[in-house]
Amino acid sequence: EAGVAQSPRYKIIEKRQSVAFWCNPISGHATLYWYQQILGQGPKLLIQFQNNGVVDDSQLPKDRFSAERLKGVDSTLKIQPAKLEDSAVYLCASSPRAGGNEQFFGPGTRLTVL
Amino acid sequence: KQEVTQIPAALSVPEGENLVLNCSFTDSAIYNLQWFRQDPGKGLTSLLLIQSSQREQTSGRLNASLDKSSGRSTLYIAASQPGDSATYLCAVRRGTGFQKLVFGTGTRLLVSP
Repeated sequence: EAGVAQSPRYKIIEKRQSVAFWCNPISGHATLYWYQQILGQGPKLLIQFQNNGVVDDSQLPKDRFSAERLKGVDSTLKIQPAKLEDSAVYLCASSPRAGGNEQFFGPGTRLTVL
Repeated sequence: KQEVTQIPAALSVPEGENLVLNCSFTDSAIYNLQWFRQDPGKGLTSLLLIQSSQREQTSGRLNASLDKSSGRSTLYIAASQPGDSATYLCAVRRGTGFQKLVFGTGTRLLVSP
């Protein structure tokens, strides 16, 4: 069974530029999560989708971050414009159902904002 | 607001030692607690999950305990090996449904040969 795929793996941009990350969850998984992990900290949930609907985006900085999950499959997370403090690893995870105990994580995208 | 803390932040031990990683959380109203492993450049791998009604879970050389009333969990690793070197994260979930995981800050473990 293929795991959660993410691209790109690494991205370096200047502040105020825009960037987008892509995630393809495990086939058939209804729930998709985006986490932000700043160096030295644990992952923090940014947004959670159930199929193509948002169920929790309380910690998403909506003035600069946006995410979508068209057709309830893959998802994109965008930052526009980026700030220095957005430097982090962005992790995507999926689970078969909401509240499912098992979340399967992708390898992450490491973003560096200069 | 739930806060999860892990101590120590980093740990270095020689191969073969038994070791304990600690996790504490401020709100004892949890549904379950999970321990994850994170290798550099890779995602998280779930190691053990303890439901709030359970006291411990075991998998191979790993044993996780939960004391919900005191807001603590420990991960015990027996006979450590260099391949155990990684960052270990604990995370708590408040309830079922759409309740999110709240992660701790992690313990970075290095096991030297």
